[in-house]
Amino acid sequence: SAVISQKPSRDICQRGTSLTIQCQVDSQVTMMFWYRQQPGQSLTLIATANQGSEATYESGFVIDKFPISRPNLTFSTLTVSNLSPEDSSIYLCSAKRGGSGDTQYFGPGTRLTVL
Amino acid sequence: QKEVEQNSGPLSVPEGAIASLNCTYSDRGSQSFFWYRQYSGKSPELIMSIYSNGDKEDGRFTAQLNKASQYVSLLIRDSQPSDSATYLCAVISSNTGTASKLTFGTGTRLQVTL
Repeated sequence: SAVISQKPSRDICQRGTSLTIQCQVDSQVTMMFWYRQQPGQSLTLIATANQGSEATYESGFVIDKFPISRPNLTFSTLTVSNLSPEDSSIYLCSAKRGGSGDTQYFGPGTRLTVL
Repeated sequence: QKEVEQNSGPLSVPEGAIASLNCTYSDRGSQSFFWYRQYSGKSPELIMSIYSNGDKEDGRFTAQLNKASQYVSLLIRDSQPSDSATYLCAVISSNTGTASKLTFGTGTRLQVTL
């Protein structure tokens, strides 16, 4: 399995500001993903973080709102921009190693509350 | 039709009993199936993965896959109060443009009672 850490674990932000979430994996992984889990809901994929190139976004998610970076094989950031109360969610990073089939492991998540 | 469907529960079973959790999926070409456990306020934790028809056992957990009927299930034997959590079924479909995209069901909340 992969050990994944996220920072911050939680934050409370004001409307109109931005929050950047960091995801660090303990070893090189082939793929990294960002998910959102809204209150009482299941997980929804936001985007695949691609190393050295632009992220691949899912339908309903756009780069201007959720810019993502992945400068190397173990680190990625997700920024949630121009925050509104509807962005209050848990944001989760996941990673998949090469050779591990399709198994993804999740970080502990970042709980964002927007006032 | 939702891509991955689960009964939201709660499913209540007495301690020591078998808990049976079910999941159906819509994409017949799906190849990879996962069960995650999520405690309240925590992130999902992988319990089982299954790729072939039949049963796969790991300790008290057994995953069952039937591709013809498009369902996957998770059995938990000798259920313990610590098994009380939400169980998420996740599928990697063949019909999405994103490789390795996990599509999650809404989860089934399991309560193991004393």
